[in-house]
Amino acid sequence: GESVGLHLPTLSVQEGDNSIINCAYSNSASDYFIWYKQESGKGPQFIIDIRSNMDKRQGQRVTVLLNKTVKHLSLQIAATQPGDSAVYFCAETTQGGSEKLVFGKGTKLTVNP
Amino acid sequence: NAGVTQTPKFQVLKTGQSMTLQCAQDMNHEYMSWYRQDPGMGLRLIHYSVGAGITDQGEVPNGYNVSRSTTEDFPLRLLSAAPSQTSVYFCASSYTASGGREQYFGPGTRLTVT
Repeated sequence: GESVGLHLPTLSVQEGDNSIINCAYSNSASDYFIWYKQESGKGPQFIIDIRSNMDKRQGQRVTVLLNKTVKHLSLQIAATQPGDSAVYFCAETTQGGSEKLVFGKGTKLTVNP
Repeated sequence: NAGVTQTPKFQVLKTGQSMTLQCAQDMNHEYMSWYRQDPGMGLRLIHYSVGAGITDQGEVPNGYNVSRSTTEDFPLRLLSAAPSQTSVYFCASSYTASGGREQYFGPGTRLTVT
């Protein structure tokens, strides 16, 4: 079946550097994508979302890019901080909202001081 | 607001036992859902509800039942626990299913079935 996946399971960066976390999706009908952050022992926390009619969306220190041609999603974190260390998940849905989200396996980001 | 609360935090069951994982939210959210998370994997949807009295199956519903008698509560029942149900279970809610972008997750219940 179609699913969301990630290119890299782990990513290690230096504090202050920019981080890029990638996600590949295979369902061309997906119309809504979300990035979540999950710290150890906690539930996922919403970071940023993007609809399929957009190719870029910016938040505070985070940017999500969507390339529908190659079915690729990325999360950019500017000036990465130790508090950004966590597992990051992308999720997709064809329902336009929270319903029936399909999650990727996650990328573990480690920020070195 | 307490947000999304889950009880218990930890639970150990023997194979064949039944139990109910509790989930409650105080944000008047219409949409609620249950996920399981296994080591090294993303979350997989078990069941969801778009409003009181309405439930539907997600990706991995077998062995689980849900009900939604009130807006606030969405309990998950394991009918006859199996070792394959050892996992961390997360409940989530959002204002609506469509357009209710931000799902709020509870802290999770870690379940071990021996």
